[in-house]
Amino acid sequence: SYVLTQPPSVSVAPGETASITCGGNDIERMSVHWYQQRPGQAPLLLIYFDSGRPSGIPERFSGSNSGNTATLTISRVEAGDEADYYCQVWDNIGDHDYVFGGGTKVTVL
Amino acid sequence: EELLVESGGALVQTGGSLRLSCVASGFSLSTYCMSWVRQAPGKGLEWVANIKEDGSEIYYVDSVKGRFTISRDYAKDSLDLQMNSVRAEDTALYYCARLYGYDVFDIWGQGTMVTVSS
Repeated sequence: SYVLTQPPSVSVAPGETASITCGGNDIERMSVHWYQQRPGQAPLLLIYFDSGRPSGIPERFSGSNSGNTATLTISRVEAGDEADYYCQVWDNIGDHDYVFGGGTKVTVL
Repeated sequence: EELLVESGGALVQTGGSLRLSCVASGFSLSTYCMSWVRQAPGKGLEWVANIKEDGSEIYYVDSVKGRFTISRDYAKDSLDLQMNSVRAEDTALYYCARLYGYDVFDIWGQGTMVTVSS
């Protein structure tokens, strides 16, 4: 089955830029979605179809997908961005599974 | 506002059964493909099962095949997950989630906790 690989943690100072990667074999041929999960809360859709932003999501959050890596970028990081972030794809060719990355804990210094 | 609310989570013994339910407000469940996603304590997200709008296609993660059944109650406009022969590794917070375009989970409930204990 398809595997998505994320770094376990990323640390960033307020006001700086955080980049969270999501690695997968030829991931650029797939649509990648990103979720934010704050402590004790349900996941929230952050980015869909590689770079789309749902209504209400700040422009500080952006996504890209190329080659074997998709990337979530958080610009001008705020304390409230401290959360776990997950990437996800739909493997509709293989096992018809919905695959999540292992998650990345973003710590705001 | 579009919301999902799960119920039915409980403490259950290994080998036992449990039925989870999910209802929506602000939209009709029956017009969307719906899923269950779980999260073990301190762990990441794991997709469990999904069912198309008309119930014509159903898929499960390998670890629950033959034990869990996802279904819809169109009269109640609800989504269910029947969990049989539960194991310790099924212990998790179970989220009901709406699928948009069959690709992405755009609406999530707050989850219902299932604890399997011997």
